[in-house]
Amino acid sequence: KAGVTQTPRYLIKTRGQQVTLSCSPISGHRSVSWYQQTPGQGLQFLFEYFSETQRNKGNFPGRFSGRQFSNSRSEMNVSTLELGDSALYLCASRQGQTEAFFGQGTRLTVV
Amino acid sequence: GESVGLHLPTLSVQEGDNSIINCAYSNSASDYFIWYKQESGKGPQFIIDIRSNMDKRQGQRVTVLLNKTVKHLSLQIAATQPGDSAVYFCAAPRDSGNTPLVFGKGTRLSVIA
Repeated sequence: KAGVTQTPRYLIKTRGQQVTLSCSPISGHRSVSWYQQTPGQGLQFLFEYFSETQRNKGNFPGRFSGRQFSNSRSEMNVSTLELGDSALYLCASRQGQTEAFFGQGTRLTVV
Repeated sequence: GESVGLHLPTLSVQEGDNSIINCAYSNSASDYFIWYKQESGKGPQFIIDIRSNMDKRQGQRVTVLLNKTVKHLSLQIAATQPGDSAVYFCAAPRDSGNTPLVFGKGTRLSVIA
């Protein structure tokens, strides 16, 4: 069974631009969560999608948004990028209240 | 909601020794805990989990201990190897029901050959 796949692996963007990251969960997993990982803050929860609906949300500004498609694939978007948005963005899929399986992440650098 | 925290940001051990990584949690109602390992350039990888109806669970070279009285859990790695060098996170559901996992800040384990 294929794992969680995130694309792209690396991105460099300029302040003010927007970016879209993609995540394909493990087949059969309907829950997809997004996390931001930075050296200072660790893993911070952004949001979770389940059956195309946002089920949970973290404490991030509205510039961070996401969506989920009928095949459970998910995208997250960050608009009006700031330098502080530079981070590793991780996607995780789950099946029920069990462990989450993570992708390799997308390393976003904002210059 | 739940919050989890690790006691030490870094830990160095000699190859072959046992490693113990500790974690504290805040919500006495939490019933599920997970340990993850993250190697450089990779996403977190599941190691072992434990539910609150257990005090101890063993895997291959790893043991998780749960002390509900003091809201503490630990990950023990037996005969630590260079390949165990990584950052280790404890995690727990933020609340009851369908809630996301919250993570501690992580402990970086360095194995000295």
